[in-house]
Amino acid sequence: NAGVTQTPKFRILKIGQSMTLQCAQDMNHNYMYWYRQDPGMGLKLIYYSVGAGITDKGEVPNGYNVSRSTTEDFPLRLELAAPSQTSVYFCASRDRVNTEAFFGQGTRLTVV
Amino acid sequence: AQTVTQSQPEMSVQEAETVTLSCTYDTSESDYYLFWYKQPPSRQMILVIRQEAYKQQNATENRFSVNFQKAAKSFSLKISDSQLGDAAMYFCAYRLGGGGADGLTFGKGTHLIIQP
Repeated sequence: NAGVTQTPKFRILKIGQSMTLQCAQDMNHNYMYWYRQDPGMGLKLIYYSVGAGITDKGEVPNGYNVSRSTTEDFPLRLELAAPSQTSVYFCASRDRVNTEAFFGQGTRLTVV
Repeated sequence: AQTVTQSQPEMSVQEAETVTLSCTYDTSESDYYLFWYKQPPSRQMILVIRQEAYKQQNATENRFSVNFQKAAKSFSLKISDSQLGDAAMYFCAYRLGGGGADGLTFGKGTHLIIQP
């Protein structure tokens, strides 16, 4: 059981480039989340999804887009990368009943 | 909006001793959950313990226990018999209850150092 899998683990982008962070879970969870963690800070919610085809903004959505075409996958798209998006990105999932969220290993993104 | 405050950026404890990490939160809701997560250098977020707001009894998980003071909006974590493997960042987090899909609100974290 792989849990929540994020790819890539590390990435360096140039300013203005775009990329997609991948997230997949194999636990059949309805709810999925994207967070970012800046140095010395806790995680902040970017976007979340309650199921395939349904997404909503979190606390810090600007500069990002998401889609949820299947229960398993929840990719995060960065358009026109900026240095302010340098961060560690975490994907998480949970089901409707369980209180525990399961996290991926994170993606360290640097924009230069 | 809910906020979570961890007032101790760093704590240090001798191996085998007990340490308490502080957390306060602000919410107008009555149904919510509180969590402590551990983040070692590997970056993985590991759930340490959780507390349902409707439960008066404090949660315990082996060497980890909480002191949940609902009226004071306080949620501290006590680690007994500290071990070298406990060294990590610890984050306090809040989530609204009610069965919705709300995400977690995190504090800024406390860096726990274990002195051998």
